Amino acid sequence: QVQLQESGPGLVKPSQTLSLTCTVSGGSISGGAYYWSWIRQHPGKGLEWIGYIYYSGSSYYNPSLKSRVTMSADTSKNQFSLKLTSVTAADTAVYYCARDGWGRTGGFNFWGQGTLVTVSS
Amino acid sequence: QSALTQPASVSGSPGQSINISCTGTSSDVGTYNLVSWYQQHPGKAPKLMIFEVTKRFSGVSNRFSGSKSANTASLTISRLQTEDDADYYCSSYAGRSTVLFGGGTKLTVL
Repeated sequence: QVQLQESGPGLVKPSQTLSLTCTVSGGSISGGAYYWSWIRQHPGKGLEWIGYIYYSGSSYYNPSLKSRVTMSADTSKNQFSLKLTSVTAADTAVYYCARDGWGRTGGFNFWGQGTLVTVSS
Repeated sequence: QSALTQPASVSGSPGQSINISCTGTSSDVGTYNLVSWYQQHPGKAPKLMIFEVTKRFSGVSNRFSGSKSANTASLTISRLQTEDDADYYCSSYAGRSTVLFGGGTKLTVL
């Protein structure tokens, strides 16, 4: 059973860079044609897809966040990461990492538990 | 790209059936048979219920079913149970390797 776990600072100052890592266990991020994603949920609001990363490094981002987002994958650590630059209070959210079970389809069959990131000075 | 449109809330009594709609455009829901549905209980991560419009994910009750007509997808939950009380989100592939989510629907089982 694949398990995902987010980690990173829970508090980030405005204008700084938010950095999160997702550690995958029970399966390899380079095994199978899986794409790995970051998804966020603003407090009391809906879900927002941030982007996809493939183990080879190919990435695809939400156009609304593209200028500030970078995703990467580290196969040696079985992890993938998110960097979001120039954060503001509007980036305060629970951030989830997830696996798309069927390529790049929006069908996320495994999720991490989520980590709350607050942007505040 | 705009979020998919879902009703803010729906309600039903135990044993009844309900439908939740998810309206997109001809650029997403209307073109691709890649609509998924998620259930989220408070404080928990979303759980995949339906993928590729009609396919139930492993372990999901057959009380949950999905369908699509033109630019609108629907989730039907039959024989409502109290544990179905949760938020439900749709998602759709939107081309160019992007994904859109709906705004979410709160289901109250009375």
